[in-house]
Amino acid sequence: EIVLTQSPVTLSLSPGERATLSCRASQSVSSYLAWYQQKPGQAPKLLIYDVSRRATGIPARFSGSGSGTDFTLTISSLEPEDFAVYYCQLRSNWPRIFTFGPGTKVDIK
Amino acid sequence: EVQLLEFGGGLVQPGGSLRLSCAASGFTFSSYAMNWVRQTPGMGLEWVSGISGSGGTTYYADSVNGRFTISRDNSKNTVYLQMNSLRAEDTAVYYCAKGKIAGYSSDWYYFDYWGQGTLITVSS
Repeated sequence: EIVLTQSPVTLSLSPGERATLSCRASQSVSSYLAWYQQKPGQAPKLLIYDVSRRATGIPARFSGSGSGTDFTLTISSLEPEDFAVYYCQLRSNWPRIFTFGPGTKVDIK
Repeated sequence: EVQLLEFGGGLVQPGGSLRLSCAASGFTFSSYAMNWVRQTPGMGLEWVSGISGSGGTTYYADSVNGRFTISRDNSKNTVYLQMNSLRAEDTAVYYCAKGKIAGYSSDWYYFDYWGQGTLITVSS
């Protein structure tokens, strides 16, 4: 089973700063990795899929990159509404299971 | 507009059963896989189960395999999760989530729409 780790656990930044979040897989994975944003009391929201494709309606300040075992979500300039928890996620083919990382909290410095 | 509305949460005793429902609207329901994902404060997000658009293929996390059963009624645009032999560790918010196909595949790898979630508490 592939395990996802995310770092840092918490990222304290100010609005306007750049955020770089890391997701590492325990073994090399295909290009099927996603990122989600979750705010308190809300369901997760798909931001990025296929490593680097933005989901419908997601602003261009969100971008994804990476390959193999190391993946990155970048928020180029934090807006007040971007302070939230971010999860990465992938699907294994055999067995077919979907795995989430533990999350990175981006909070206001 | 895609909407997913979960029903059926509540308090249940250990060993008990509960059935969750998720009513979908705003898309061609039978064309998409549907899933259940749960979230606990200590364990984060955990995928529980998924079912193909036709209902012919189902998948389960090891933690629920043999206890939970996912099903769907495409005539009612509804997906269900029958939960039996519930344990304290099944306590969580359960989300219904629509499957999203990956860019170069005909299969679902992600979850692009989520319901608001329903809380299941397993306790005596």
